[in-house]
Amino acid sequence: AQSVTQLGSHVSVSEGALVLLRCNYSSSVPPYLFWYVQYPNQGLQLLLKYTSAATLVKGINGFEAEFKKSETSFHLTKPSAHMSDAAEYFCAVSDRAGGGNKLTFGTGTQLKVEL
Amino acid sequence: GAGVSQTPSNKVTEKGKYVELRCDPISGHTALYWYRQSLGQGPEFLIYFQGTGAADDSGLPNDRFFAVRPEGSVSTLKIQRTERGDSAVYLCASGGGLNTEAFFGQGTRLTVV
Repeated sequence: AQSVTQLGSHVSVSEGALVLLRCNYSSSVPPYLFWYVQYPNQGLQLLLKYTSAATLVKGINGFEAEFKKSETSFHLTKPSAHMSDAAEYFCAVSDRAGGGNKLTFGTGTQLKVEL
Repeated sequence: GAGVSQTPSNKVTEKGKYVELRCDPISGHTALYWYRQSLGQGPEFLIYFQGTGAADDSGLPNDRFFAVRPEGSVSTLKIQRTERGDSAVYLCASGGGLNTEAFFGQGTRLTVV
């Protein structure tokens, strides 16, 4: 079985500060990992994904994540937070059985950006 | 359409009633997924279709839940004898092929009163 754990259900940063959202995974096979963002009353939007190529993955809106097998981590970072980054962020791991992309999500981290 | 479309966007129903939730995937996408997101939680997998057939329905919580995709495009999630615990946002996603990313719709918020 696969799972992800997101440490910190709420994170608050100042505008311009570093954003670090933590995700640790558990998987019996080499994982595919994803970060999604969810703005209020909107669907989930893919930020970035790791699919066994480069371990440092760059996504949209200046976000990036690094896959660290030794630490079973896939933390999301952004050098400088913007007010528009305030949203809920979900880490997910994929079960690629049958060629599909069934996702197991973490419980989410609500990011607050303060002036 | 340009994205995954889910209707209705909101549904309020009485306990014990039957409801249907519809998902129109991105045109040409063969994979379709249903998830349920309860308040304060991440989405939980319900069922995955590859074409017309359910490839994995291991997430359906009980036999009150059923989903179909008869022509390999539009899917309907059906819930019988609804319970207050079924209240959640039901998300649909579609994907273009093997191991490709899933694109999510905005969800249907179901409230059982």
